[in-house]
Amino acid sequence: QKEVEQNSGPLSVPEGAIASLNCTYSDRGSQSFFWYRQYSGKSPELIMFIYSNGDKEDGRFTAQLNKASQYVSLLIRDSQPSDSATYLCAVNKSGGGADGLTFGKGTHLIIQP
Amino acid sequence: DTEVTQTPKHLVMGMTNKKSLKCEQHMGHRAMYWYKQKAKKPPELMFVYSYEKLSINESVPSRFSPECPNSSLLNLHLHALQPEDSALYLCASSQSGGMNTEAFFGQGTRLTVV
Repeated sequence: QKEVEQNSGPLSVPEGAIASLNCTYSDRGSQSFFWYRQYSGKSPELIMFIYSNGDKEDGRFTAQLNKASQYVSLLIRDSQPSDSATYLCAVNKSGGGADGLTFGKGTHLIIQP
Repeated sequence: DTEVTQTPKHLVMGMTNKKSLKCEQHMGHRAMYWYKQKAKKPPELMFVYSYEKLSINESVPSRFSPECPNSSLLNLHLHALQPEDSALYLCASSQSGGMNTEAFFGQGTRLTVV
């Protein structure tokens, strides 16, 4: 059973629309959840993190966490062509230490001009 | 400042060579990580250092040898690598302890083993 699952895509969204990226995780003990954006040939860039159930908004980005359903999502409003990238969902099991991140395979997002 | 600096950016080495990858951060983070990323795959955790001590080794072959000389520096020593070890090697750092475990990645070292 894979620990962090994402639809690999590609997910194609028109410019200006809302892009919705989803992620599920298997370990109920997971504490911290992260979304990274990775452009081709570059390193992952942290976009959002969320620790508590509910929504967290930062500019055009909203992260949503539902621990009961073991589900994390990322919404990107007013999508721009520059948002085209691979979005990696990552999970940290620890609530009090450094255990490293377990990544999903990533969703390839394409914003169509 | 959320910068993690890795050197070199690119490295080509033969299977009999010995080389080292370097990583530096000045964010006061006490946890540092090495990840390996193959093409079209997610990063995979290799090692974790917490407070300058190796806390996690994800069953990495001994031809990869990590070192943490101080709280700001992390090295990865490479010896007798195989062509399948060619990948993007990513260093990351985070606070250690509490809920603030956001990890920031360096730009990576793209390694090619010939």
